[in-house]
Amino acid sequence: GAVVSQHPSRVICKSGTSVKIECRSLDFQATTMFWYRQFPKQSLMLMATSNEGSKATYEQGVEKDKFLINHASLTLSTLTVTSAHPEDSSFYICSAPRGGRTEAFFGQGTRLTVV
Amino acid sequence: KNQVEQSPQSLIILEGKNCTLQCNYTVSPFSNLRWYKQDTGRGPVSLTIMTFSENTKSNGRYTATLDADTKQSSLHITASQLSDSASYICVVSHNNAGNMLTFGGGTRLMVKP
Repeated sequence: GAVVSQHPSRVICKSGTSVKIECRSLDFQATTMFWYRQFPKQSLMLMATSNEGSKATYEQGVEKDKFLINHASLTLSTLTVTSAHPEDSSFYICSAPRGGRTEAFFGQGTRLTVV
Repeated sequence: KNQVEQSPQSLIILEGKNCTLQCNYTVSPFSNLRWYKQDTGRGPVSLTIMTFSENTKSNGRYTATLDADTKQSSLHITASQLSDSASYICVVSHNNAGNMLTFGGGTRLMVKP
């Protein structure tokens, strides 16, 4: 079964509104989680690294004020897309490495559509 | 620069046939190599994970190989099924914690009846 749960699986919002996406590790603690963005027919692009208890690390070109990341606990990271625009429409995926293992588990993804 | 290249970009095969997907990487230091299956609109699901010392690993009809000398990996799918239609992503990890990942562009496989 899934060990990383992402919610919601899909969301439609109006331009200018904010959307929050949650990523939870279900049976393990994750001090680090990763947020990816995926455009159609393309591979995953790392947006930012979420760190529990400290600020997230953003990849070059990713606006930290637009994509707010909060790692509130050892099992929860959230990505908030603020003042969403249609060009923010994409597939967002989180992942968490499992402690003591080299495996990375991915959430189910969130399809965001901004209208 | 760490890179992972996959080929072919897309592939169409008939149900029941076998196929092999390729992955070449230039990642250093190498930690492990993973193959993921990603259905449309879903998150990737792990198929295999191999470390430097492992040459082959199987998961049902999926068999992955790794040649660390030539920095090549392959994913062989045997007796393909319609449900195998998906994107297959090769991911190379390049740190000891295993959480620095470089993604290949993926191979989009379509299995037709």
